[in-house]
Amino acid sequence: AQSVTQPDIHITVSEGASLELRCNYSYGATPYLFWYVQSPGQGLQLLLKYFSGDTLVQGIKGFEAEFKRSQSSFNLRKPSVHWSDAAEYFCAVGAGGGADGLTFGKGTHLIIQP
Amino acid sequence: DAGVIQSPRHEVTEMGQEVTLRCKPISGHNSLFWYRQTMMRGLELLIYFNNNVPIDDSGMPEDRFSAKMPNASFSTLKIQPSEPRDSAVYFCASSSLGDTDTQYFGPGTRLTVL
Repeated sequence: AQSVTQPDIHITVSEGASLELRCNYSYGATPYLFWYVQSPGQGLQLLLKYFSGDTLVQGIKGFEAEFKRSQSSFNLRKPSVHWSDAAEYFCAVGAGGGADGLTFGKGTHLIIQP
Repeated sequence: DAGVIQSPRHEVTEMGQEVTLRCKPISGHNSLFWYRQTMMRGLELLIYFNNNVPIDDSGMPEDRFSAKMPNASFSTLKIQPSEPRDSAVYFCASSSLGDTDTQYFGPGTRLTVL
């Protein structure tokens, strides 16, 4: 069965500092990987996705993520965070992209200090 | 283009009552997913449909839960009878079985069972 681990429940960073959110997955084949962001009281918005090809993927809002098969990781990064980035971030894995249900990690709550 | 539409946005009911949650997917999308989000268990896939046909309902917690998709533009998730432990945010998502294979989430329905 597939699974996703986000080791950090909360992360606090200063505005302007760099950010890295960790994600490790367990899946038997080539995974479809996603990062979603959820603001309070809102639905989930897709930040970026990886299906194949270049292992460094660019997303919206200045986010990027790197797929490392050897480490079963798909960490999310941003070089300089803004106060508006404060939210809950979810990593997810799927078997067939949108055609199958996603398995989500428990999420990482990002707090931005002024 | 309108996103995924869910109604109601908030529902408060008493234990034992029937609850019906509704979802209208993005026009043209042919896959629909129901997820539940709780503090304890995070985001869990309940059931999903491809071309209006239920594909995997293994995530449905028990027989009190049922879901239907009578046509491509409407789906319901019903809980009968409801229990306090069903209190959660229920999300609907849709996707297109095509190049993007990305799931687009609705704003969710916050259900409180007293």
